[in-house]
Amino acid sequence: SQTIHQWPATLVQPVGSPLSLECTVEGTSNPNLYWYRQAAGRGLQLLFYSVGIGQISSEVPQNLSASRPQDRQFILSSKKLLLSDSGFYLCAWSHLRNTEAFFGQGTRLTVV
Amino acid sequence: SQQGEEDPQALSIQEGENATMNCSYKTSINNLQWYRQNSGRGLVHLILIRSNEREKHSGRLRVTLDTSKKSSSLLITASRAADTASYFCATDASGTYKYIFGTGTRLKVLA
Repeated sequence: SQTIHQWPATLVQPVGSPLSLECTVEGTSNPNLYWYRQAAGRGLQLLFYSVGIGQISSEVPQNLSASRPQDRQFILSSKKLLLSDSGFYLCAWSHLRNTEAFFGQGTRLTVV
Repeated sequence: SQQGEEDPQALSIQEGENATMNCSYKTSINNLQWYRQNSGRGLVHLILIRSNEREKHSGRLRVTLDTSKKSSSLLITASRAADTASYFCATDASGTYKYIFGTGTRLKVLA
């Protein structure tokens, strides 16, 4: 069966420090991969999505970047975190277009 | 913004009552999905309804879709305390791989 792993679960980082959040999917190949951010008590904002290795689509200009170095690995990065980068980051995958998405358990990032 | 809107933002009901949440969206779609999120956790898929469907059932869930009004509703019948969560609708932004989520409804079911 397919599983999605996202880590770490929580992270406290100082302003100006780098960030690397990793997401991996097991049990499937060539998944569509997504990074979302959720502000406290709010909806999900799509940050990046990828339909293949090295293919990254950015939805919102951010202090963030994403990479897909392997088929089932999706990484969210920042060179210098801002206070406004705090939030709940969710990774998700789907097998085909127009099908259900499967979410990781999320990373709560607090920038201090 | 393409983001949809859920209505109401928050809903509090007694156990055993029905809960209805509404979702409006802006673009043409291939399908609309509903997800559930327990506090501080990832989202779990509940049900998918395609654009050519008007109603769909799954257990205690009933979803309707009106593409002419660009709206959908989720009905949870005979609610339980365990149904307490946030519920989100998501659309697929026809022709893309993107899932666009609404702002969510926070449901609280009181025992």
